[in-house]
Amino acid sequence: GQQVMQIPQYQHVQEGEDFTTYCNSSTTLSNIQWYKQRPGGHPVFLIQLVKSGEVKKQKRLTFQFGEAKKNSSLHITATQTTDVGTYFCAAYSGGYQKVTFGTGTKLQVIP
Amino acid sequence: NAGVMQNPRHLVRRRGQEARLRCSPMKGHSHVYWYRQLPEEGLKFMVYLQKENIIDESGMPKERFSAEFPKEGPSILRIQQVVRGDSAAYFCASSLEAGHTEAFFGQGTRLTVV
Repeated sequence: GQQVMQIPQYQHVQEGEDFTTYCNSSTTLSNIQWYKQRPGGHPVFLIQLVKSGEVKKQKRLTFQFGEAKKNSSLHITATQTTDVGTYFCAAYSGGYQKVTFGTGTKLQVIP
Repeated sequence: NAGVMQNPRHLVRRRGQEARLRCSPMKGHSHVYWYRQLPEEGLKFMVYLQKENIIDESGMPKERFSAEFPKEGPSILRIQQVVRGDSAAYFCASSLEAGHTEAFFGQGTRLTVV
């Protein structure tokens, strides 16, 4: 079955530092989605990437889909305490298939 | 437009009892997904349903767990004869189209088995 690896598992950064999490799939993907889950909360959809090499930005967040559509990254510039949470990628291979969530990267921002 | 509604938010059951978790998808959404999340862990897919159909239940334990999404009413995740290991947060998500496009999650049901 499809495997989705996400690294790192944990990341502690000083407020103002940058942060990146990476998502790698064993198979070629139709699309990849990113979600954020605050402590005690539920996953919230951030973005979906569909095209090979696609780059999308949301304020301080930059999302990238690899050329081979097997990997993706989320980069946060100048982290803030509001960025605290776990970031999940969700890989989708097409058709009536389930989405496979990565294991998540838990971000802690030290003020 | 109400979001995905899950109830109850918290559920406590004794070992051997039944747990029934409900999920009302967003209006117009006909695709529903159930996930389980253990503390400090990721989301584990359980089942994907469309109205009156189970599309993929490859993540469901073979015994004691069942799910349905009837023509009318919410989707139900049912756990019979609960055990301590069933304690977890159960999230439901819905999407307008297949492929989990921009899936919206409910607040989850935190199940505690005592």
